[in-house]
Amino acid sequence: DIQMTQSPSSLSASVGDSVTITCRASQGISDDLGWYQQKPGKAPQRLIYAASSLQSGVPSRFSGSGSGTEFTLTITNLQPEDFATYYCLQHYGYPITFGQGTRLDIQ
Amino acid sequence: QGQLVQSGGEMKAPGASVKVSCKTSGFPFTSYSISWVRQAPGQGLEWMGWISGYNGTTKYAQKFQDRVTMTIDTSTTTAYMDLMSLRSDDTAVYFCARGHAVMTDWGQGTLVTVSS
Repeated sequence: DIQMTQSPSSLSASVGDSVTITCRASQGISDDLGWYQQKPGKAPQRLIYAASSLQSGVPSRFSGSGSGTEFTLTITNLQPEDFATYYCLQHYGYPITFGQGTRLDIQ
Repeated sequence: QGQLVQSGGEMKAPGASVKVSCKTSGFPFTSYSISWVRQAPGQGLEWMGWISGYNGTTKYAQKFQDRVTMTIDTSTTTAYMDLMSLRSDDTAVYFCARGHAVMTDWGQGTLVTVSS
């Protein structure tokens, strides 16, 4: 199985800050990676697909980069609605696997 | 924008089975797969498998291979996930999502509680 290791597992930030979340794959996955945001009690929502393509309707303060084994999600100018848990997902190989999640809290 | 509406929460005894439905609209059902993902309380997301809306082909995670059955009804554009031999650690919210790799739209989730 392809392991996806996210870091950090949690972080605190303030409105207006920029943050970066990293996801490392245990083997190369090309750009078969997505990023999802989940708020408590809600379903995940896709933010990024193909590692760096922004889902329609998602604010441009979200961006993704990377290829192969290392990927990042960057959020600039944090807004109150951005405080949530973020997951990466690889679909290069089966089983499809998620990172363990990064919880972003308001500082 | 597709919409996926799931059936309501269930409480089951250990050893029983549960069938969760996912009614879809707003996209051509037969052009997409439906994935199933679960989330245990306070835990992360776990992929269970997907089913093709075109021909019912399935791909299951090996972990669930022996206990899960995914089906579709194209006449009602509904997908189903049946999990048998339930255990306490199957207590989770179960989500359906459009797409087999890039999961675009999601259902609201169905809480399945396994308890004696």
